Amino acid sequence: SQQGEEDPQALSIQEGENATMNCSYKTSINNLQWYRQNSGRGLVHLILIRSNEREKHSGRLRVTLDTSKKSSSLLITASRAADTASYFCATDAVSSNTGKLIFGQGTTLQVKP
Amino acid sequence: NAGVTQTPKFQVLKTGQSMTLQCAQDMNHEYMSWYRQDPGMGLRLIHYSVGAGITDQGEVPNGYNVSRSTTEDFPLRLLSAAPSQTSVYFCASSYSWDSGNTIYFGEGSWLTVV
Repeated sequence: SQQGEEDPQALSIQEGENATMNCSYKTSINNLQWYRQNSGRGLVHLILIRSNEREKHSGRLRVTLDTSKKSSSLLITASRAADTASYFCATDAVSSNTGKLIFGQGTTLQVKP
Repeated sequence: NAGVTQTPKFQVLKTGQSMTLQCAQDMNHEYMSWYRQDPGMGLRLIHYSVGAGITDQGEVPNGYNVSRSTTEDFPLRLLSAAPSQTSVYFCASSYSWDSGNTIYFGEGSWLTVV
């Protein structure tokens, strides 16, 4: 099945540093979304980028999409301890007419105070 | 709005027992889905529904049934629980089936099958 794969699986940084997570996928997509999950909680939507977009910003978040490489990156600038969470990318498939989103395995980010 | 509400939060079942995980949303969303989350596996889609009366299978549907008699509710039934179904289950909803919509998740249901 088509699935996003996040890289790295785990990331540990100091507060104030930038964190970059990558997502690769297998087939052409309509949209790619990033979600965040705090420990023991549900997922929360962060940002959506469409296949015809290359970059999007939301606060301290910057997402890029390279459809030729079938990859996306999520950059969190000036990280805070509260950013500690798991981050997932989710992709659909151009061939799908049901909007099914397939999630990757996630990147676990730890931000040390 | 309460958003997406799942019950129960925690449940322990014996092998072979059946149970239903309840999911309700109060946002009048057409699209609802169930995922399971296992360590190192990400979230995997079990079943989904694009509207009342319409359901379809996801990646891992075996051992689970769903129904969508109302827009608000989307229960997930485990027919005969197996240890392999030990997992965290998430219900989710979005305005429509278009993948350009934000998905709203419930807080999860932790299920252990012994």
